[in-house]
Amino acid sequence: EAGVAQSPRYKIIEKRQSVAFWCNPISGHATLYWYQQILGQGPKLLIQFQNNGVVDDSQLPKDRFSAERLKGVDSTLKIQPAKLEDSAVYLCASSLDRGFSGNTEAFFGQGTRLTVV
Amino acid sequence: QQQVKQSPQSLIVQKGGISIINCAYENTAFDYFPWYQQFPGKGPALLIAIRPDVSEKKEGRFTISFNKSAKQFSLHIMDSQPGDSATYFCAASRSYGGATNKLIFGTGTLLAVQP
Repeated sequence: EAGVAQSPRYKIIEKRQSVAFWCNPISGHATLYWYQQILGQGPKLLIQFQNNGVVDDSQLPKDRFSAERLKGVDSTLKIQPAKLEDSAVYLCASSLDRGFSGNTEAFFGQGTRLTVV
Repeated sequence: QQQVKQSPQSLIVQKGGISIINCAYENTAFDYFPWYQQFPGKGPALLIAIRPDVSEKKEGRFTISFNKSAKQFSLHIMDSQPGDSATYFCAASRSYGGATNKLIFGTGTLLAVQP
C-alpha cells in the first residue's frame, strides 16, 4: 500500500513570497490533515478535511494560509505572503475515517521542510 | 483543556535499559491515545495506541500504561536498542461524538540509546 505522498521535500523562499505544498493521501482515506511542526515542537493541526469539506480550520492563519482538497483526494496548502515564523515542516496525514467509524489512525507523509529567509 | 503535556524533553538510556516517557492530558473527552515515533527527516509513524477501556497494552518491547483517574499515560520501551533512538510523541484525540477527531500532540521526547 502506497503511503502519503508530499512534494516538494524542501523549499526555501524569501519572506513575503508565496509557496504551495501538495499532498496525495492514501487511496480511500476520507480524512486529510495538514499539520505544522516547528523545530523542537510537536505537530500542530492547521486544517482537517473530511472528503472535500473542511471539518476544522480553527488554527489556520486565514489571512495568509489557504488550503483546498479538490474532489476529496489531493490537497494543496498555500502560504501567501510567507513570514519568517512560517519556517517549519508541513506534514500531511490521512486516515480512513468515514463519519464516526472510530478509526482514528493517521498516517503521515515525510513532510515539506520550509525555510523562509 | 486541549493540551497534552509530555516529559522528559530528552532521555539518554543505555542499551538494554528501560525507556519511560510520560504524558498527561486534561480533556476527559479524549478516548484515543497513540504514541508516534519520528526519525530525522521522516514523518511521525504510529507505534502503539490505547483506548481508555484498558489499563495496559503491550506490543513486543513497547508497552503503554494508562491511568484514567490520573489522566496520565506512559510509554515503556523494554530492552532499549540504538535503533530506538528517535523522537517520541504522545497524542490524544476524541474519536466519537464530535465533528473533529484531530490529534493533539505532546511536545516530544528525544530518546538516545547508547550502545
